[in-house]
Amino acid sequence: GENVEQHPSTLSVQEGDSAVIKCTYSDSASNYFPWYKQELGKGPQLIIDIRSNVGEKKDQRIAVTLNKTAKHFSLHITETQPEDSAVYFCAATPSSSGDKLTFGTGTRLAVRP
Amino acid sequence: GAVVSQHPSWVICKSGTSVKIECRSLDFQATTMFWYRQFPKQSLMLMATSNEGSKATYEQGVEKDKFLINHASLTLSTLTVTSAHPEDSSFYICSAKSGTGKQTQYFGPGTRLLVL
Repeated sequence: GENVEQHPSTLSVQEGDSAVIKCTYSDSASNYFPWYKQELGKGPQLIIDIRSNVGEKKDQRIAVTLNKTAKHFSLHITETQPEDSAVYFCAATPSSSGDKLTFGTGTRLAVRP
Repeated sequence: GAVVSQHPSWVICKSGTSVKIECRSLDFQATTMFWYRQFPKQSLMLMATSNEGSKATYEQGVEKDKFLINHASLTLSTLTVTSAHPEDSSFYICSAKSGTGKQTQYFGPGTRLLVL
């Protein structure tokens, strides 16, 4: 089955700086990679996703890059704001799994004002 | 669009009782719903996959007789924790996706269960 590793586990940045979170996956058949933001006591919120036929995707201050050869993908947040503080999870899913997501272990991001 | 709700948002029950949690897709039809459990400061662990009109598929190690899942319609799935014990206390989250070929999962707000 799929295995997803996520680094770092915690990340503290100054407001306005960039934050980068990296994930690696093991199953080369994985073809869909979403990123979720989870605030304390709430359910995960989809912030961006990328499919395996695309190398990069951007949505305002958030971007995701995918390297299929190396089997890793990264989340980039630019111009961070205090409201970006949350736990971020990456996930991967091979289409053969019935679209079941395998989650990374999460990154707790703190943006210092 | 793509809103998923859960009810209740939190519940406290006595050991040995059963608790039902509802998951609804509010503005789309969910052919598949997933149920996750999350312990404090940990990641989400998939418990089961629920397809409308068929039996749920449980992940290894999840007791199907303890965690009863019913996906009676395209907008509603329920999870019943039977004979709950303190170790069942956790944050239960559902997600839904709208159809075959669509991989995006939208999550509900979660239900916090505390078993005394």
